Amino acid sequence: NAGVMQNPRHLVRRRGQEARLRCSPMKGHSHVYWYRQLPEEGLKFMVYLQKENIIDESGMPKERFSAEFPKEGPSILRIQQVVRGDSAAYFCASSPFPTGELFFGEGSRLTVL
Amino acid sequence: EDQVTQSPEALRLQEGESSSLNCSYTVSGLRGLFWYRQDPGKGPEFLFTLYSAGEEKEKERLKATLTKKESFLHITAPKPEDSATYLCAVQADEGAQKLVFGQGTRLTINP
Repeated sequence: NAGVMQNPRHLVRRRGQEARLRCSPMKGHSHVYWYRQLPEEGLKFMVYLQKENIIDESGMPKERFSAEFPKEGPSILRIQQVVRGDSAAYFCASSPFPTGELFFGEGSRLTVL
Repeated sequence: EDQVTQSPEALRLQEGESSSLNCSYTVSGLRGLFWYRQDPGKGPEFLFTLYSAGEEKEKERLKATLTKKESFLHITAPKPEDSATYLCAVQADEGAQKLVFGQGTRLTINP
C-alpha cells in the first residue's frame, strides 16, 4: 500500500511564476490536508479538503493560494505569482476519516529565487 | 488562540540515557493531543494520540502522558535510531480538523 505521494519533491521558481504542488493520498483516503513548514518554524495548517470540497481553508493566505481535490486525480496546491516568502516545505497528509492521526507525504520543497 | 510550546528546543543524550520532552498547550477545548516524529527531509510520522488527562500510551522506548496543561514524551534507554525531531500537536474542539503544532524538540542520541 503506497504512502502519500507528493510531487515534485523539489521545485525552483522565479518571483512572479506559478507553483503547482500535487498530492496523491493513500488508497482509500478521501480526506486531504496541506501544511506549510517555513524555515525555523513549525508546521502550519493551510487547508483541509474532501473529495471535490474545501472543508476548512482558514490557514490559507487570502491571495495567490488555492487548493483543490477533484473527483479524479490528485489534490493540487497552487501558488500564483510566487514571492521569496513562499519558500518553504509544503506537506500533504491524508486520512480515511476526519482525525488528527494523519499520514504525511515527504513534502515538496519550494525555493523562490 | 490555541498555542503549543515544546521544550527543550534541542536535546543531546548518550545512548541509554533516559529523559523527557515537554509539550505545554493552551487550547479552548482539547479534542486530542498528538505526538509525531520527523526525520530530516521527511514528513512527520504519527506516534500517539492522547485524549484526556491521566492517559498514557507506550510504544517501544517511548511513553506519552497527558495532564490538563501539558504532555510529556518519556524516552527510556534511547538508541541512536531514536534521533529525530519530535513534534507535539493539539486539535481543539472548535477547530474542525486542523492541528496546531509546536516547533518540535530536536533529539540527538550519541552512541
